[in-house]
Amino acid sequence: DAMVIQNPRYQVTQFGKPVTLSCSQTLNHNVMYWYQQKSSQAPKLLFHYYDKDFNNEADTPDNFQSRRPNTSFCFLDIRSPGLGDAAMYLCATSRDLGQTYEQYFGPGTRLTVT
Amino acid sequence: DAKTTQPNSMESNEEEPVHLPCNHSTISGTDYIHWYRQLPSQGPEYVIHGLTSNVNNRMASLAIAEDRKSSTLILHRATLRDAAVYYCILRDSYNTNAGKSTFGDGTTLTVKP
Repeated sequence: DAMVIQNPRYQVTQFGKPVTLSCSQTLNHNVMYWYQQKSSQAPKLLFHYYDKDFNNEADTPDNFQSRRPNTSFCFLDIRSPGLGDAAMYLCATSRDLGQTYEQYFGPGTRLTVT
Repeated sequence: DAKTTQPNSMESNEEEPVHLPCNHSTISGTDYIHWYRQLPSQGPEYVIHGLTSNVNNRMASLAIAEDRKSSTLILHRATLRDAAVYYCILRDSYNTNAGKSTFGDGTTLTVKP
């Protein structure tokens, strides 16, 4: 089945130690998104790629970076994780930008910072 | 960005219809109304979307008020598997905000057997 895959499902990192979360998709969608979801809160968009074009949300901290080496893969890099970065990180895709395209979400990676 | 307002929680009995309301009084003419749901420990899942007319699909129905300032997601027969957080989202136009979704607080639906 075509899908959005996130690895690992659970990640533990130490305070200040760089960590990378990965997302892959078999849908061949143009757009890939990263969301952060803290406990009991709604998902919050960090950034998205439209093909190779990177679009950062205005309030996304510089500590968060992303790479999209090809259509299928997208990575979220947290350069110096703090305790406040512990959250579920959700990857999503959509065929294109625009109001009518639905987003397909992966299962998420739960990040713990010790 | 136009915002949505939803009740924090709702309860339903199994096999009964559920009407989940959403207010979006500042909606613009080009905003589409999307609904997603998030089951426990999973990523959000698309449910339905619409612009002006009521919409039906295999999962649910979407009723949109004539003035578009509110909408209602209708689950015709709730099952235990429908217990989730339901998000009503307005999708901005491509030219201004690249079609991004801003999630509101959502409604936690509890389904009782």
